[in-house]
Amino acid sequence: EAGVAQSPRYKIIEKRQSVAFWCNPISGHATLYWYQQILGQGPKLLIQFQNNGVVDDSQLPKDRFSAERLKGVDSTLKIQPAKLEDSAVYLCASSVGAGQGGSGQYFGPGTRLTVT
Amino acid sequence: AQSVTQLGSHVSVSEGALVLLRCNYSSSVPPYLFWYVQYPNQGLQLLLKYTSAATLVKGINGFEAEFKKSETSFHLTKPSAHMSDAAEYFCAATYTGGFKTIFGAGTRLFVKA
Repeated sequence: EAGVAQSPRYKIIEKRQSVAFWCNPISGHATLYWYQQILGQGPKLLIQFQNNGVVDDSQLPKDRFSAERLKGVDSTLKIQPAKLEDSAVYLCASSVGAGQGGSGQYFGPGTRLTVT
Repeated sequence: AQSVTQLGSHVSVSEGALVLLRCNYSSSVPPYLFWYVQYPNQGLQLLLKYTSAATLVKGINGFEAEFKKSETSFHLTKPSAHMSDAAEYFCAATYTGGFKTIFGAGTRLFVKA
């Protein structure tokens, strides 16, 4: 079974530029998550999708971050414009379904973003 | 507010010694509880999970964790540390009300030869 795929693995941009990350979850997983992991901290949930609907985006900085999940499969997270404090690893995860909170999440390798 | 607290940002043990990583959660209703491991430049990997069945949960790589409701704890243990266990470990809780998962800040485990 293929795992969660993410691209790119690394990205370096200047502040005020835009950037996009892509995620392909495990086949059949209804729930998809985007996390921000700042160095030395645990992952922080940015947005959670159930199929192609948003379940939780309370911690997403909506003035600069956006995310979509077309057709309930792949997802894209965008930052525009980027700030220095956005430097972090962006993790994508998927799970069988939000209604099965005990199933655990499967994580991709992450995208390391550096904003200079 | 719901939270997950991991005591000790760094833990160092000798190879072959007991590993104990501490995790406490805040809630009057036990959530689903998880331990994840993260190796350098990789995503998180699920080690084990508690879903209100047995209080002692066994996971991969010889790790286990015990859920103690009275102490609101879910500490991770391994009887004998191996060099390959050196990594960052995260405790997480999924609160059933909103299915939101909250992660602790992580504990980095060092294993000395």
